[in-house]
Amino acid sequence: GAVVSQHPSRVICKSGTSVKIECRSLDFQATTMFWYRQFPKQSLMLMATSNEGSKATYEQGVEKDKFLINHASLTLSTLTVTSAHPEDSSFYICSARERGTLRRYEQYFGPGTRLTVT
Amino acid sequence: GESVGLHLPTLSVQEGDNSIINCAYSNSASDYFIWYKQESGKGPQFIIDIRSNMDKRQGQRVTVLLNKTVKHLSLQIAATQPGDSAVYFCAVPVPHTNAGKSTFGDGTTLTVKP
Repeated sequence: GAVVSQHPSRVICKSGTSVKIECRSLDFQATTMFWYRQFPKQSLMLMATSNEGSKATYEQGVEKDKFLINHASLTLSTLTVTSAHPEDSSFYICSARERGTLRRYEQYFGPGTRLTVT
Repeated sequence: GESVGLHLPTLSVQEGDNSIINCAYSNSASDYFIWYKQESGKGPQFIIDIRSNMDKRQGQRVTVLLNKTVKHLSLQIAATQPGDSAVYFCAVPVPHTNAGKSTFGDGTTLTVKP
């Protein structure tokens, strides 16, 4: 149980285009999803917290107009990188918290999406 | 804010040896600590957690030790196997939040030599 998927696993796009990454909770409902980015040999940096049916909360320094997050249902959150540039190339990872969980800090991670902007 | 750091960025051990990975945190109010394993090209995988009211917790081949006095925790892996090769992160949730936000350490890359 508690499986989170991401699609696509890898994507290459040209500079200036937009790319959408999907995060799905496959066997549970997720009221909260988190989006992280990870540069090579570095740690995970939280970008934003996404709550179903409401606007995402972005961490300091993350451009909300560039990284559009939509959490339209209890099983799906999307991250759209708009007008992507080579510096946006990174590994993007989502995680999800199960609806109703009593474990305050529990989150299940997706497998990640490798974005390369050429 | 919270800062979380690891003592060694890399660790190389012989198969069958025990591994110890260390982590330091800064916020004395932190009440929960988690270790994750991340294999190459994959998302983090939960290994073990510990609450601040404990100083030791054991799982299958893994033990987490917490020293609140010096704000330090460690992950011990017994009889390390090649499949344990990965990057290990400690994560410290932001205290008093319900969102589950965590600060992640920099990661230690464990390499197991056969």
